[in-house]
Amino acid sequence: EDQVTQSPEALRLQEGESSSLNCSYTVSGLRGLFWYRQDPGKGPEFLFTLYSAGEEKEKERLKATLTKKESFLHITAPKPEDSATYLCAVQGSQGGSEKLVFGKGTKLTVNP
Amino acid sequence: KAGVTQTPRYLIKTRGQQVTLSCSPISGHRSVSWYQQTPGQGLQFLFEYFSETQRNKGNFPGRFSGRQFSNSRSEMNVSTLELGDSALYLCASSTAGTGDSPLHFGNGTRLTVT
Repeated sequence: EDQVTQSPEALRLQEGESSSLNCSYTVSGLRGLFWYRQDPGKGPEFLFTLYSAGEEKEKERLKATLTKKESFLHITAPKPEDSATYLCAVQGSQGGSEKLVFGKGTKLTVNP
Repeated sequence: KAGVTQTPRYLIKTRGQQVTLSCSPISGHRSVSWYQQTPGQGLQFLFEYFSETQRNKGNFPGRFSGRQFSNSRSEMNVSTLELGDSALYLCASSTAGTGDSPLHFGNGTRLTVT
């Protein structure tokens, strides 16, 4: 059974204080690992897809990396508007289904 | 391009009633998936539809059902509501299999069962 574990559950940072969020996963045949951002009262917003170990993707202050067992979301010099819950999900090789298995997320708070 | 639209945004129902939620996917997206989000369990997969056929189903009781129409719009139905069905129900769409096709989510329907 595919599983995703995210840590920490919650993280408080000062503005400008860089850090990383962790996503550990087990999956039978990784088709893709996804990062989403979710603001209160809204649906998850797509950030990145990673497909193979060693791959990296960047968007503004965010950088996602992937190994065979985990992914990291690095946040460089965060701003208060980066406060949100960050969700990691994996998509396995299940006969073409688009099903994602999600972790429970990391709630990030960035204080000014 | 319009995003995924879910209606209604909020619903309050009583135990034992049934409810129908609606989802309009992004234009051109043929796959629609439904997820339940609760504080304790996070996002859990309900089911996925592609070209009006259910392609995958999660571990939920038969009270949860769905369907997809020829225009890719989808509905999900929950019958005999229980208190534990209170949750945010999220719909997501994708182009399905055509290269980089992540799921794009709507803002959900917040269901409260009293």
